[in-house]
Amino acid sequence: GESVGLHLPTLSVQEGDNSIINCAYSNSASDYFIWYKQESGKGPQFIIDIRSNMDKRQGQRVTVLLNKTVKHLSLQIAATQPGDSAVYFCAENPDKLIFGTGTRLQVFP
Amino acid sequence: DAMVIQNPRYQVTQFGKPVTLSCSQTLNHNVMYWYQQKSSQAPKLLFHYYDKDFNNEADTPDNFQSRRPNTSFCFLDIRSPGLGDAAMYLCATSRDRGRPQHFGDGTRLSIL
Repeated sequence: GESVGLHLPTLSVQEGDNSIINCAYSNSASDYFIWYKQESGKGPQFIIDIRSNMDKRQGQRVTVLLNKTVKHLSLQIAATQPGDSAVYFCAENPDKLIFGTGTRLQVFP
Repeated sequence: DAMVIQNPRYQVTQFGKPVTLSCSQTLNHNVMYWYQQKSSQAPKLLFHYYDKDFNNEADTPDNFQSRRPNTSFCFLDIRSPGLGDAAMYLCATSRDRGRPQHFGDGTRLSIL
């Protein structure tokens, strides 16, 4: 039968607060990382990417931080809105996306 | 407008009955991918086409096949679906290797 799904880590934030979603990766040779947002019933949507020659990249309301020393990636969302509620995945290697476990972001009023 | 289109959105098939899922793209991207995503899990790559070259992942079951008759279309064939194949199947495209992937909204497959 179907395997039991993993329980996703959940981050609950109040509307207007900043959110920080974390991701650890294992391959020290990875040189490209992407954050995806997946809303219920939809496919993953590209948010922002970063290459390993950078440690920070900013987009609209989002910032990605990369710490290669500890192989850690984070996504910061400023002024979180209800529309930000979704599952967020980090992924490495654009040729063969290897997704992290995912974090469910819940925004409450 | 949707750029990666998957049909149907929901598919029900019987145990052991072959099923085909389809994906089309209007982006003229070279690379097309198929992923399997089970409940509360991350998508898992099954295989991809770089132009006409097929690249299978080592742990993709033989039960899963794919066809890409032209740039715009790619199909996922499941020859004998089992209960464990019930999942969301996602198609994605990228302009070239090393470029971000664009996903369709998936086909949710149920097995009776």
